[in-house]
Amino acid sequence: GESVGLHLPTLSVQEGDNSIINCAYSNSASDYFIWYKQESGKGPQFIIDIRSNMDKRQGQRVTVLLNKTVKHLSLQIAATQPGDSAVYFCAENPPSKYGGATNKLIFGTGTLLAVQP
Amino acid sequence: NAGVTQTPKFQVLKTGQSMTLQCAQDMNHNSMYWYRQDPGMGLRLIYYSASEGTTDKGEVPNGYNVSRLNKREFSLRLESAAPSQTSVYFCASSEYGTAYEQYFGPGTRLTVT
Repeated sequence: GESVGLHLPTLSVQEGDNSIINCAYSNSASDYFIWYKQESGKGPQFIIDIRSNMDKRQGQRVTVLLNKTVKHLSLQIAATQPGDSAVYFCAENPPSKYGGATNKLIFGTGTLLAVQP
Repeated sequence: NAGVTQTPKFQVLKTGQSMTLQCAQDMNHNSMYWYRQDPGMGLRLIYYSASEGTTDKGEVPNGYNVSRLNKREFSLRLESAAPSQTSVYFCASSEYGTAYEQYFGPGTRLTVT
């Protein structure tokens, strides 16, 4: 079946360094790819999305890269701060069997980002 | 503006008991979702409601039912709880057609003994 997975379950970085979180996806027909952040005891929070016709998208201190050739998605966080410590999930929005958009997201298993002071 | 609210926050059930998890959103979103999250795993979609009056199954619908009561509220019912349903349940909402940007509630931690 379709799946979205992560290469590294835990990433430990020093405060101020840049972080890169990676994700592999399997459905090349997905229209959107998304990153969510989940802090301990809270619900996931939308960070940034990228549409399948783009390679790169930047937000505030975050950049998402999409490599459709190898079905790879990454989230780069610049100048990582203690408040960035959380579990990060990638997700994809697969198309319906009729080709249109769906209201479904398929989530990966998550990467724990631990920021060391 | 409270966003997405869920009740209760915690619940312990015995096997075979029933209960309803409540969810409400005040963002005037058309679409609402129910997920479960198990330790070390991502979120799995149980049911969703693309718009008021419609509901559809997600990845793991067995053992659950839902009701879209009105545009604001979407409830999840466990008719006969099983230990395998021990999980954290999240409700989310989004604008219709923008499922990629969902807003999540704080979750309900359910334990079935």
